Amino acid sequence: QITLKESGPTLVKPTQTLTLTCTFSGFSLSTTGVGVGWIRQPPGKALEWLALIYWDDDKRYSPSLKSRLTITKDTSKNQVVLTMTNMDPVDTATYSCARLYGSGTSFDPWGQGTLVTVSS
Amino acid sequence: QSALTQPASVSGSPGQSITISCTGTSGDVGGYKYVSWYQQHPGKAPKLVIFDVTERPSGVSNRFSGSKSANTASLTISGLQAEDEADYHCCSYAGSSTFVVFGGGTKLTVL
Repeated sequence: QITLKESGPTLVKPTQTLTLTCTFSGFSLSTTGVGVGWIRQPPGKALEWLALIYWDDDKRYSPSLKSRLTITKDTSKNQVVLTMTNMDPVDTATYSCARLYGSGTSFDPWGQGTLVTVSS
Repeated sequence: QSALTQPASVSGSPGQSITISCTGTSGDVGGYKYVSWYQQHPGKAPKLVIFDVTERPSGVSNRFSGSKSANTASLTISGLQAEDEADYHCCSYAGSSTFVVFGGGTKLTVL
């Protein structure tokens, strides 16, 4: 069974850096073809893809957020970490990680998500 | 504003069929076979129901089907059931620069 779970702060102040950890089980990020992505969803709004990391450490970022994002993996701990700098209230959202599914850019399963609020 | 355009809402009665559209460009939906659809119930994580335009993951009802014509992908749900009431999101590969784009989401109401 594949599971993913996000962890990190629920509240951050404007200008701070957000660090989120995705801890997964049931697969390995050292297996060829495997990838893990981060997606966020502001309350009542659309999904927005943020970043993706592959088994070979190839990394992809949303062009609009690339300057603020860093994605890394720790294969031994089965974890993927996302950092986002210079947080703003508009970054308030549920942040989710998900495993790549199939050969393209589909995601399944997803973690439950973690709501991050940006407020002073 | 999302990269892919979906209707804000659709509705149908139990037993009927509905179709949700997802319109992009030749740089995303029209250019690749990597369109996926997600079902999201309130307060829950999205669930993949269609990948690679037409493929269904194991365990997903065959009432869900996907298709694509030019720059528009579509999700059809046949034999509507009350449990299908949810938000539906489309997603597409968008080339090596943009990589992944989502639609704005569609709320399906089962009357």
